[in-house]
Amino acid sequence: KNEVEQSPQNLTAQEGEFITINCSYSVGISALHWLQQHPGGGIVSLFMLSSGKKKHGRLIATINIQEKHSSLHITASHPRDSAVYICAAVRADGLTFGKGTHLIIQP
Amino acid sequence: KAGVTQTPRYLIKTRGQQVTLSCSPISGHRSVSWYQQTPGQGLQFLFEYFSETQRNKGNFPGRFSGRQFSNSRSEMNVSTLELGDSALYLCASSLADRAYGYTFGSGTRLTVV
Repeated sequence: KNEVEQSPQNLTAQEGEFITINCSYSVGISALHWLQQHPGGGIVSLFMLSSGKKKHGRLIATINIQEKHSSLHITASHPRDSAVYICAAVRADGLTFGKGTHLIIQP
Repeated sequence: KAGVTQTPRYLIKTRGQQVTLSCSPISGHRSVSWYQQTPGQGLQFLFEYFSETQRNKGNFPGRFSGRQFSNSRSEMNVSTLELGDSALYLCASSLADRAYGYTFGSGTRLTVV
């Protein structure tokens, strides 16, 4: 079993829909990192959070430390949100990554 | 300010050769970490350097090595290349306290033939 599990693996939705991507981890962490990767490989850091909730534009990330679970939400999704979203557990020995969620937003 | 710079962007090598990849962190970031990304395994941690010292190492064979210079620039080296080493190699830089987050470079895509 992976230490960091993401779901779903693949998600196709229509423009405007509310999107939720989930991340569960089984290890102790100091923080959780949400990353976005577009075709071509470049990775952009979206959020780093260790408690509660963070919001940036249409993106919201939450984390529940007790339940070892985090969610990434996208409101009013747009085709440009199409990308792979990866969660990563920040630990003393480095980052441990989920397998990623491949999101496609259709116009 | 300039982001994390990785060179080269693309590289084709032959089995058995060695390769050196470079990563220049954001100014002021003293920690550089390296990752390998393949379609089968996803992103995996290779190693992390802080102030010229290896702080952590992932589960990779000794053919993978790295170093960090006094200006925080880092290099990783892969010796005796194998076909399975074909991957996107990413580096990320951060402040000493990782809780402030990581900034990733665009990666070096290595193809071993």
